Amino acid sequence: DQQVKQNSPSLSVQEGRISILNCDYTNSMFDYFLWYKKYPAEGPTFLISISSIKDKNEDGRFTVFLNKSAKHLSLHIVPSQPGDSAVYFCAASASNVNDMRFGAGTRLTVKP
Amino acid sequence: KAGVTQTPRYLIKTRGQQVTLSCSPISGHRSVSWYQQTPGQGLQFLFEYFSETQRNKGNFPGRFSGRQFSNSRSEMNVSTLELGDSALYLCASSLQTGALGELFFGEGSRLTVL
Repeated sequence: DQQVKQNSPSLSVQEGRISILNCDYTNSMFDYFLWYKKYPAEGPTFLISISSIKDKNEDGRFTVFLNKSAKHLSLHIVPSQPGDSAVYFCAASASNVNDMRFGAGTRLTVKP
Repeated sequence: KAGVTQTPRYLIKTRGQQVTLSCSPISGHRSVSWYQQTPGQGLQFLFEYFSETQRNKGNFPGRFSGRQFSNSRSEMNVSTLELGDSALYLCASSLQTGALGELFFGEGSRLTVL
């Protein structure tokens, strides 16, 4: 069962513009959400997280928004840079459980 | 500080064989999780070990098993390999178990089943 869904397999944006990656989840027990970034031939690396007590978390060019009522979160990257080109995975977990559920990933391409 | 180390990086097996993959977590990390990555499926959770105990298990058949040793190193085993087991197997470690533990991933072991 796909409890975390990233419905866009790919996204292409121009350098300097905003990239918005979306993620939906179905399990209302999830209360911690993370985004991971993955380059080819490397393992995913942690990017940014948000707990369910917040609706926004910002770290430099990266901002994650959480809409609990819609069970939706998004990752905004602004301005986008060519080095941001990677596969981005959304992940979610419930408290005290480390079996994070991941989405299928969205491949972001930032064109110079 | 060394990262998460997975061995072997690449391997090829035939149907019906079994395979063992190894993962050495970051020093001091006691939680090790295993994920399977296939195209279009993202990362599918296999299981998590903490202090040598399996804490959680994903929705995979019993052919997939794992264990953790006292030094936190972990192995996963897949028996009676099927073509569909071809995937990148990722190991991740974290300081603690629980939702607030960021996962640090290894580079993965790419398994091809012929």
